[in-house]
Amino acid sequence: DAKTTQPPSMDCAEGRAANLPCNHSTISGNEYVYWYRQIHSQGPQYIIHGLKNNETNEMASLIITEDRKSSTLILPHATLRDTAVYYCIVRLRLGAGGTSYGKLTFGQGTILTVHP
Amino acid sequence: NAGVTQTPKFRILKIGQSMTLQCTQDMNHNYMYWYRQDPGMGLKLIYYSVGAGITDKGEVPNGYNVSRSTTEDFPLRLELAAPSQTSVYFCASKRGQDSYEQYFGPGTRLTVT
Repeated sequence: DAKTTQPPSMDCAEGRAANLPCNHSTISGNEYVYWYRQIHSQGPQYIIHGLKNNETNEMASLIITEDRKSSTLILPHATLRDTAVYYCIVRLRLGAGGTSYGKLTFGQGTILTVHP
Repeated sequence: NAGVTQTPKFRILKIGQSMTLQCTQDMNHNYMYWYRQDPGMGLKLIYYSVGAGITDKGEVPNGYNVSRSTTEDFPLRLELAAPSQTSVYFCASKRGQDSYEQYFGPGTRLTVT
């Protein structure tokens, strides 16, 4: 699975958009970009994933650059409850072979602090 | 649905003791995983299972064992606890190979002294 690089920490004002970047310059055509978050002392929570098109769900939007070497997770109206560690993960597309069996490789992520 | 449940929430072990961390899911998921998370670090995969009776090693399996006799349960066994096993342990599950989302339990915080 491709390696990802994220800033160690970011701040955001409540009500504003939080834009979390992720660099994955060695991503291959068979690999998806996933985002999970971990609120303090809880298990990780799935947010969103994408291959090459931008994606949006009720939690967030995912913008992937055309060359797929980087992406941005956008929380459109951050709240205090969005304070968490955000993990950008790259892994093989299902059915693309290999033996990852859905393994998620977590780096150190970005600590997002939303302040009033 | 309760989702993924783990017991106990906290445990302190002495070096050399054994224990089993319990994990149960009520979503009829085939895939289950055990991860550990050391302070300030990301999660590392210990073992996984793709169905009842099938288990395999992850990145850091040494010192642990698992079994999967039913779809619902995936216990993690520590035979001879060592201080290096002090960590937070998370169990996760997903429906099957075609599923994208893993559901995580609340974790078990283990201290070995």
